[in-house]
Amino acid sequence: ETGVTQSPTHLIKTRGQQVTLRCSSQSGHNTVSWYQQALGQGPQFIFQYYREEENGRGNFPPRFSGLQFPNYSSELNVNALELDDSALYLCASSLASPSPLHFGNGTRLTVT
Amino acid sequence: AQTVTQSQPEMSVQEAETVTLSCTYDTSESDYYLFWYKQPPSRQMILVIRQEAYKQQNATENRFSVNFQKAAKSFSLKISDSQLGDAAMYFCAYRSADSGGSNYKLTFGKGTLLTVNP
Repeated sequence: ETGVTQSPTHLIKTRGQQVTLRCSSQSGHNTVSWYQQALGQGPQFIFQYYREEENGRGNFPPRFSGLQFPNYSSELNVNALELDDSALYLCASSLASPSPLHFGNGTRLTVT
Repeated sequence: AQTVTQSQPEMSVQEAETVTLSCTYDTSESDYYLFWYKQPPSRQMILVIRQEAYKQQNATENRFSVNFQKAAKSFSLKISDSQLGDAAMYFCAYRSADSGGSNYKLTFGKGTLLTVNP
């Protein structure tokens, strides 16, 4: 079975721009969540999607938004990029609770 | 809100020796899950071990075991017979067992960087 895949691997954007990060869930997984990991920190929960609907959100502003598609793949969109948005963005998928999360390798976003 | 604290930013161990990584957490909930994840330079978070709070028996996965002290809110990871491939960042994480909202939110600590010396 294929694991969780994220694209792109690295990305450089300018402050004020918009970015879209993509994630393909592990086969059969209907839940996807996104995390932001700043340098030297643990990952911070952004939000999660279950069957195409957001059903949990962390302490992130509305300019962080997402989508989950019928095939359970997902996108993370960030508008009006700020320098502090520079981080590793991790996607994770799972089956219904209490199955563990399976993480992808992340997208390294640099905002200049 | 739940918090997870890892008080050891860095640890080192000799190959074949044993090392223990510390983790404490704060919660008012009685039912939850605790995890240890490993993050090598490849960046992928890899699940090492999981503990359900309602289980008194400590979880074990091959060379990895935990010491779960619910009353003390402590969850340490012991790595026996350390190998060079164990070198990585290790994160302790908490998840509520509230299944009503299908809550998969993990709360992570800041991590402990483990170095394994040959």
